[in-house]
Amino acid sequence: AQTVTQSQPEMSVQEAETVTLSCTYDTSESDYYLFWYKQPPSRQMILVIRQEAYKQQNATENRFSVNFQKAAKSFSLKISDSQLGDAAMYFCAYRSARGGSNYKLTFGKGTLLTVNP
Amino acid sequence: EPEVTQTPSHQVTQMGQEVILRCVPISNHLYFYWYRQILGQKVEFLVSFYNNEISEKSEIFDDQFSVERPDGSNFTLKIRSTKLEDSAMYFCASSGGPIEKLFFGSGTQLSVL
Repeated sequence: AQTVTQSQPEMSVQEAETVTLSCTYDTSESDYYLFWYKQPPSRQMILVIRQEAYKQQNATENRFSVNFQKAAKSFSLKISDSQLGDAAMYFCAYRSARGGSNYKLTFGKGTLLTVNP
Repeated sequence: EPEVTQTPSHQVTQMGQEVILRCVPISNHLYFYWYRQILGQKVEFLVSFYNNEISEKSEIFDDQFSVERPDGSNFTLKIRSTKLEDSAMYFCASSGGPIEKLFFGSGTQLSVL
């Protein structure tokens, strides 16, 4: 079974600075997807960024980028120019791409990000 | 952007009562899921549903739980006899294909007293 580990329960960053959230995962599969979801106080689950394991290039979405290290099974999220609205719980998640699986998401425990003005 | 709609946003019930949580997935989506999140904990998979049947369920999804797609648009989660430990935020999600983006609803906060 796949597991996702987020070793930082809480992180803080100054507004306009850069912060990196860590995530590691364990899997025996070679084809899969990795995600970062943001959960603000409203508790809505918002997709931040997605990475396909077969792609060597790191995904980027505006101020959000990832550092995907497949051999190390590491998938960190970098937030540049942090804004007050970035404050939220961030969840790392894994999803198999294996045919016949149900493609469920396996989540880490989350990292609570605080942005200080 | 299309949305997954969940109702109610908050449900309060007495222990032992039945509850039905309702979801309207995005039209033309084929894959449906329920997840739950106990306050302060991670989001956990409950069940996946495709082609009018359960494709996988977790250990949490015991005989007290059931899902149904009664009319081709709604997707419901029923808990037959609620327990205190069922108190959680329940999220519905849907996607158009197995590897397509998963859209989450805003959740139903279930409080069992």
